[in-house]
Amino acid sequence: GDSVTQMEGPVTLSEEAFLTINCTYTATGYPSLFWYVQYPGEGLQLLLKATKADDKGSNKGFEATYRKETTSFHLEKGSVQVSDSAVYFCALSQNNAGNNRKLIWGLGTSLAVNP
Amino acid sequence: DAGITQSPRYKITETGRQVTLMCHQTWSHSYMFWYRQDLGHGLRLIYYSAAADITDKGEVPDGYVVSRSKTENFPLTLESATRSQTSVYFCASSSGQPQHFGDGTRLSIL
Repeated sequence: GDSVTQMEGPVTLSEEAFLTINCTYTATGYPSLFWYVQYPGEGLQLLLKATKADDKGSNKGFEATYRKETTSFHLEKGSVQVSDSAVYFCALSQNNAGNNRKLIWGLGTSLAVNP
Repeated sequence: DAGITQSPRYKITETGRQVTLMCHQTWSHSYMFWYRQDLGHGLRLIYYSAAADITDKGEVPDGYVVSRSKTENFPLTLESATRSQTSVYFCASSSGQPQHFGDGTRLSIL
């Protein structure tokens, strides 16, 4: 079945460092890919998405490119801030009517940014 | 205010008790979901609903019951709570993608 694998955390960085969180997937067909973020004490919220190969999603300085050849959707940010400390989830959704809008989730990667 | 709200935010109960977690959304989204979040397991889908009166099991449905008589509400009931059901529970809704999440209910079962 479909699956998503994320790099294990926690990841600890200093402010202004470069961030990469790896995400790879296994899926048939052409799924949509997502990154969600969970700030402390809150629910998850969509950070960015990509719906087809070579699409780049971007938001709040974060970027991820849908790479079908490597089945990857790595999250990057050039200069992290303390306010980026959160848990980041990679997820996929199959684009078919039988999917019932379900998401397949990675286990999440905790990021802590120190000043 | 528009959005998705969960209640209560925190709940402590005892094993064997019945407890109901509430979820209400104001967007008229057709799809709603219940997840539990546990360290080392990420998010696991308990139940989901495609529309009023249509529900289906997710990955971990045992010990839980849901209903959806109205589009906007999707309560989750633990019929006889066990310690293994101590978790943070999230409700989400969508009309497609993305899913929109509530702030969660932290449930402790003693």
